[in-house]
Amino acid sequence: QVQLVESGGGVVQPGGSLRLSCAASGFNFSTYGLHWVRQAPGKGLEWVAVVAYDTSYKYYADSVMGRFTISRDNSKKTVYLQMNSLRVEDSGVYYCVKDRESPAAGTWVLGYWGQGTLVTVSS
Amino acid sequence: QLVLTQSPSASASLGASVKLTCTLSSGHRGYSIAWHQQQPEKGPRYLMKLNSDGSHSKGDGIPDRFSGSTSGAERYLTISSLQSEDEADYYCQTWGTLVVFGGGTKLTVL
Repeated sequence: QVQLVESGGGVVQPGGSLRLSCAASGFNFSTYGLHWVRQAPGKGLEWVAVVAYDTSYKYYADSVMGRFTISRDNSKKTVYLQMNSLRVEDSGVYYCVKDRESPAAGTWVLGYWGQGTLVTVSS
Repeated sequence: QLVLTQSPSASASLGASVKLTCTLSSGHRGYSIAWHQQQPEKGPRYLMKLNSDGSHSKGDGIPDRFSGSTSGAERYLTISSLQSEDEADYYCQTWGTLVVFGGGTKLTVL
């Protein structure tokens, strides 16, 4: 079955950096797009970024553009989120999410979720 | 601008049915959406993809009690025979140039 396991969360000061990882298994990793979605404490879900199965595109939410970078290593079946210039408002649980449908469908149906990793930005 | 609107809260009695609504912004009534469930202290779980014609495809292991339907710009999630574990936050999600989430509906089972 599909498994997504996030790691790399922790406590960091404002202005600092953190790199999240998501190790995947149970599916053909190199043929699906992957997303990061976050959730601030007590708040709703906020989409952060997506990377295509072949890295042909990467898109970001306006709130993280220029500070966060999504990447993937298909040989390691891992997707990353490099987070720089972190702000207090970046705090929350970060989820790695797999597209449910193949790239040919041209959809972004978030079909499989990891358990999340907690990021706390605080001085 | 692509926006999804959900009521912040809903409630229904154990064993009853409830219909949650997700409304697509003007000019986007033909869009498909996905419904996700987030039980307390857990990560979200995909429930189903719901198309504009009302057809839907559910995730693995999602009970038949969960169904979807469509009317114009409205996308519905109906949960029948409510159980205590259905008490959760429910989010709709769609995509255009980027991915968009609704604000979520907190469902209380009385």
